[in-house]
Amino acid sequence: DTGVSQNPRHKITKRGQNVTFRCDPISEHNRLYWYRQTLGQGPEFLTYFQNEAQLEKSRLLSDRFSAERPKGSFSTLEIQRTEQGDSAMYLCASSLEGGLYEQYFGPGTRLTVT
Amino acid sequence: AQKVTQAQTEISVVEKEDVTLDCVYETRDTTYYLFWYKQPPSGELVFLIRRNSFDEQNEISGRYSWNFQKSTSSFNFTITASQVVDSAVYFCALILSSNTGKLIFGQGTTLQVKP
Repeated sequence: DTGVSQNPRHKITKRGQNVTFRCDPISEHNRLYWYRQTLGQGPEFLTYFQNEAQLEKSRLLSDRFSAERPKGSFSTLEIQRTEQGDSAMYLCASSLEGGLYEQYFGPGTRLTVT
Repeated sequence: AQKVTQAQTEISVVEKEDVTLDCVYETRDTTYYLFWYKQPPSGELVFLIRRNSFDEQNEISGRYSWNFQKSTSSFNFTITASQVVDSAVYFCALILSSNTGKLIFGQGTTLQVKP
């Protein structure tokens, strides 16, 4: 059973550019989550999906951020017009349906905005 | 508001010492789950344990043990006979039954185990 995978692992972009990250969850997991982690902090929730439905978005997710999970499998997180403050590790996790199960995390995508 | 506090920012021990990582949480919900995750230098968060709010039994798994006390809203994690491979950042996290979509993490405790 493969774990959660994320691509790319690293992304360096210039301020103002758009970036897109991909997450492939564990195959039997219905729930998919996105978190952001900055240096020295714990992960902060961004949004989550149950199948293809996006059920909650954090206030951290400004209008420049959009996430999709079109077929209830992989998900993408797009950041438009990146800012230096967007530099962080973006983590994806998945879990079984029900939400009280443990979430399994991918290796993350480290974004650096120059 | 819900919150998880890990007051110890960094802990340094010598191999074979026992070490306890503290976690205190705040919630008004009566049904919730608590978790511990390990984040080694490679960066990937590794699930260690899940505990529900109705089960206050302590749990032991090899060198790891967890002490859950609702009376003090604490869920502490002890590593017995620490090893260099235990060096990592450890996060305590909370999820509420009223909002099962998100884990609320503490700020983490960096554990350094020296040989």
